[in-house]
Amino acid sequence: NAGVTQTPKFQVLKTGQSMTLQCAQDMNHNSMYWYRQDPGMGLRLIYYSASEGTTDKGEVPNGYNVSRLNKREFSLRLESAAPSQTSVYFCASSEAPGGPYGYTFGSGTRLTVV
Amino acid sequence: AQSVTQPDIHITVSEGASLELRCNYSYGATPYLFWYVQSPGQGLQLLLKYFSGDTLVQGIKGFEAEFKRSQSSFNLRKPSVHWSDAAEYFCAVGALGGSYIPTFGRGTSLIVHP
Repeated sequence: NAGVTQTPKFQVLKTGQSMTLQCAQDMNHNSMYWYRQDPGMGLRLIYYSASEGTTDKGEVPNGYNVSRLNKREFSLRLESAAPSQTSVYFCASSEAPGGPYGYTFGSGTRLTVV
Repeated sequence: AQSVTQPDIHITVSEGASLELRCNYSYGATPYLFWYVQSPGQGLQLLLKYFSGDTLVQGIKGFEAEFKRSQSSFNLRKPSVHWSDAAEYFCAVGALGGSYIPTFGRGTSLIVHP
């Protein structure tokens, strides 16, 4: 099915461990995003990539890095995981960051840091 | 910068009753407005969007929303709720310009009683 695919779906990390969350879209979208969702906080933007070759910080970038590998793929890396990074992470894509374009979301990665 | 408020954290309705979820935004010009739905354990799915023209927009799953500039509102409605509509609903507001990423509200959780 066309859309946004995230891997893994679930992950448990120990404090200080590193990991990379993978995201791929097959809709030929230019822009991709990483959000985190915490209870009562809604969605908060971590990083985004307006187009291939560019990345920018969002609202909560500290502790994360991203790579726009190609037009399809956008990964999120936690270099040294902390319990505060326990969250559900969503990748999304769209034609462009702004304007009348809706976002297509993946099904999420539920990350627990112990 | 734009902002969005969803005043209701939780809404409880009986199956078959009508539904209205509130969304208020702040933006100096005509915004782009979106409603998304998130079923448990899933990512967000676009329900409908408004960016120009008729202020009453129809979406998927029988939902509609009305843009009221005078009230800075974009409320989501459904005439008869089904148990499968139980989910989290997010309003988002975007601005003109390709680099303006939409701002999401904190969400309204819809509970449907049989």
